[in-house]
Amino acid sequence: EVQLVESGGGLVKPGGSLRISCAVSEFPFSKAWMSWVRQAPGKGLEWVGRIKSKTDGGATDYAAPVKGRFTISRDDSKNTLFLEMNSLKTEDTAVYYCTTIGIYGYSSGWYEGIDHWGQGTLVTVSS
Amino acid sequence: DIQMTQSPSSLSASVGDRVTITCRASQNISRYLNWYQQKRGKAPKLLIHAASSLQSGVPSRFSGSGSGTDITLTISSLQPEDFATYYCQQTYTTPWTFGQGTKVEI
Repeated sequence: EVQLVESGGGLVKPGGSLRISCAVSEFPFSKAWMSWVRQAPGKGLEWVGRIKSKTDGGATDYAAPVKGRFTISRDDSKNTLFLEMNSLKTEDTAVYYCTTIGIYGYSSGWYEGIDHWGQGTLVTVSS
Repeated sequence: DIQMTQSPSSLSASVGDRVTITCRASQNISRYLNWYQQKRGKAPKLLIHAASSLQSGVPSRFSGSGSGTDITLTISSLQPEDFATYYCQQTYTTPWTFGQGTKVEI
């Protein structure tokens, strides 16, 4: 069974930095496209960004609210995904989910879906 | 960014009811639309990808239809375990965006 285990969440002051990690097991991590999704307390889901596999170029994409402040990276040798967060704001307070991206091929094209999720790690930005 | 609007935001229903949730995109997203179910305190679960393809293991009472700007999730006969919040998500282009959610309550 696929396992995604996030770690590194906690309390950080506004303007501070934090790196959270996601250890992935029972999954071909090096071939996987991965993403981060967050959920503020009592709110809906918000896509943070994604990283493609190195064989597919390793490109990253980000949501506008985090672009330039957050960086997604991966260590395929350790089956680990990272989210480096800088210049944190109170509105970044959320549970951060590590996810895998499934890619489904049909005659009409290729479609992506977030098919495996970690349990989430809470990041609280507060003074 | 593509805006996704779900309706209704919440609904009350009974076991056995047919439930329909609609997701409207601010532009044509073809069939690049996924549906997720989230129960309280749990991570979301992918139900449907590509607008109408049921994820493996998801009960057949869930179905999706539509393309373009209006896409629908239907639960044909609501079961007790279906009371949850449902989200749509477009993957037509990055940044991917989610709808605000539809809470299905008893």
